Amino acid sequence: NSKVIQTPRYLVKGQGQKAKMRCIPEKGHPVVFWYQQNKNNEFKFLINFQNQEVLQQIDMTEKRFSAECPSNSPCSLEIQSSEAGDSALYLCASSPDRDEQYFGPGTRLTVL
Amino acid sequence: QQQVRQSSQSLTVWEGETAILNCSYENSAFDYFPWYQQFPGEGPALLIAIRSVSDKKEDGRFTIFFNKREKNLSLHIKDSQPGDSATYFCAESNYNVLYFGSGTKLTVEP
Repeated sequence: NSKVIQTPRYLVKGQGQKAKMRCIPEKGHPVVFWYQQNKNNEFKFLINFQNQEVLQQIDMTEKRFSAECPSNSPCSLEIQSSEAGDSALYLCASSPDRDEQYFGPGTRLTVL
Repeated sequence: QQQVRQSSQSLTVWEGETAILNCSYENSAFDYFPWYQQFPGEGPALLIAIRSVSDKKEDGRFTIFFNKREKNLSLHIKDSQPGDSATYFCAESNYNVLYFGSGTKLTVEP
C-alpha cells in the first residue's frame, strides 16, 4: 500500500481563485511526480522533482501552475487562477528510482 | 497523441474466470511497462510491472505477457474475484514520466 499522503482530498474553488494542494512522499523516495487525471481518465504529467530540484516540467499551462518540493516540508502544487478546465484529480507519486511510482489518493479539485 | 492504447474500455467476466486486458504501444524506446489498478475515489495502485527484456512476469494471480516484436502486452488475472472490479491502466516509462493508456474497466460478476 502506498504511503504517499495528499491533502486536502477535496478542494472546491471559484474561477479565478488560488488552489493549493500538498503531498508528502513516501520516506526514502527522492523523486516526486505530479499528474492530472481528468474525468475521461486521461493522465497528464505536470512536473517532477528529485529532492528539491525540478527534473522536468510541461509548459505549466500558461504559467498558472507552480510547484515546489522544499526540504523538510511537504511538496505543493498551486494553481494561481483556477479555471473550470482545471477540475480534475491531481495525483502525487513518489519513487525510489523514477520507474516505480507510487501514487497518493489524490486531491479532487472542482472549479465552479 | 496517445502512445499507449488499451483496446477495451470495459470488460466483464464471471468470478473464477481469467480476465485478459490488452495494451499496445508505439515507441520502442520505452522499456518499463507497469499496470495500475484504480478503485473509485482512490489513486492508482501499482499492481505489477515488466521490463522489455522479459516476456513474462508473474505475481500471484497476475501475469504480464509481453511481445516486443508486436509492441503489445497483456495482463492476465487468474481466478478473478469481485474485489478485482476496478479500472486497470497500462503505462509505459523510460526511466521517468509515465504515459498511461485510457484504462479498461473490469467488472467481475459473482
